Amino acid sequence: GQSLEQPSEVTAVEGAIVQINCTYQTSGFYGLSWYQQHDGGAPTFLSYNALDGLEETGRFSSFLSRSDSYGYLLLQELQMKDSASYFCAIYGQNFVFGPGTRLSVLP
Amino acid sequence: NAGVTQTPKFRILKIGQSMTLQCTQDMNHNYMYWYRQDPGMGLKLIYYSVGAGITDKGEVPNGYNVSRSTTEDFPLRLELAAPSQTSVYFCASSSVNGQETQYFGPGTRLLVL
Repeated sequence: GQSLEQPSEVTAVEGAIVQINCTYQTSGFYGLSWYQQHDGGAPTFLSYNALDGLEETGRFSSFLSRSDSYGYLLLQELQMKDSASYFCAIYGQNFVFGPGTRLSVLP
Repeated sequence: NAGVTQTPKFRILKIGQSMTLQCTQDMNHNYMYWYRQDPGMGLKLIYYSVGAGITDKGEVPNGYNVSRSTTEDFPLRLELAAPSQTSVYFCASSSVNGQETQYFGPGTRLLVL
């Protein structure tokens, strides 16, 4: 089967940098995705890593290491609006989502 | 483009009742998905479809049925509602050339009492 693990909560202050980790177990997959979900809202796509290494999209970057079964989402210059839940997801035959990390950004 | 739309937004069902959750996308996407999300948890895949006439089970299909007669629509049917089906249901779609990017609808909040 496939499973993913994420920290349940992360707290940081405005303007800081925060890293949300994701470890996974799978027999094979195409890539690792990241989604953001605000309370009461729908998930929205942030980033996707098909290959090992870093992908940068504005303030957000995502990293994948297949040899370590590990990835992370890096958020820079944190803003209050970044307070949300963040999910990693494995894209294989279909999608498997992690349990989510709730990020709280403090003033 | 409206993207992915879902109806209803909220519904209360009694145990044993049935209902259909509607999902429509106007992006001409081949792939469509149904997820459920329990409070404080991640999304669990219920069913998915790779095109009209083709559906397959996801991680938690028991108690649900789907059909895909058109590219645009992917309804989810609950035949005998149970309290364990109380959840938020999200429909999503993705294109053949960007399967890794899913676009989600606003969700349907279902309460089974």
